[in-house]
Amino acid sequence: DGGITQSPKYLFRKEGQNVTLSCEQNLNHDAMYWYRQDPGQGLRLIYYSQIVNDFQKGDIAEGYSVSREKKESFPLTVTSAQKNPTAFYLCASSIAQTQETQYFGPGTRLLVL
Amino acid sequence: AQSVSQHNHHVILSEAASLELGCNYSYGGTVNLFWYVQYPGQHLQLLLKYFSGDPLVKGIKGFEAEFIKSKFSFNLRKPSVQWSDTAEYFCAVNGGPSGYSTLTFGKGTMLLVSP
Repeated sequence: DGGITQSPKYLFRKEGQNVTLSCEQNLNHDAMYWYRQDPGQGLRLIYYSQIVNDFQKGDIAEGYSVSREKKESFPLTVTSAQKNPTAFYLCASSIAQTQETQYFGPGTRLLVL
Repeated sequence: AQSVSQHNHHVILSEAASLELGCNYSYGGTVNLFWYVQYPGQHLQLLLKYFSGDPLVKGIKGFEAEFIKSKFSFNLRKPSVQWSDTAEYFCAVNGGPSGYSTLTFGKGTMLLVSP
């Protein structure tokens, strides 16, 4: 059963904490992406990776970090430097080039306590 | 940079009404165009896409969209909506002055269909 999994579904963060959101895909896709979705704002790109051990900043990378050590995995860390982290985070992947169709995971909702 | 504009933030229709959701983008040239849909509690999923060829593309569940290059538009249509079409719809564009890069999304249109 191929797809993208994200965990956890809900995540609570205390002020000053770093938290890591998981994204795994078994579609054998080379490219992976992280988006942030806020009500009325659409999706905004945080980071993307076109190949293992390489990634680029998106439009709103400040306060976030990523790694891409394995093709299947693209974890996102929300650091304490991100001043407004409460949002819905979506992970996506595509076959290869970034212009191809992207497929999305179920998302993680992050709430700050 | 590329930008995408969706004309309506909220649309309310009765079942069997016709639907048209507007989408315009700012930079022309070679673009790939997408409509995604997010049903309540479900994944964001692809509704339809345009890469090249016939500018009238058909997607799942009876949706279609027309690419009009001269108007920088990619409007989504459905002749008769159903209650199950209640969802948020996102237009997305890849391409712009620097060629292909990453997807730029519109802010979304929430469609509510009353039975």
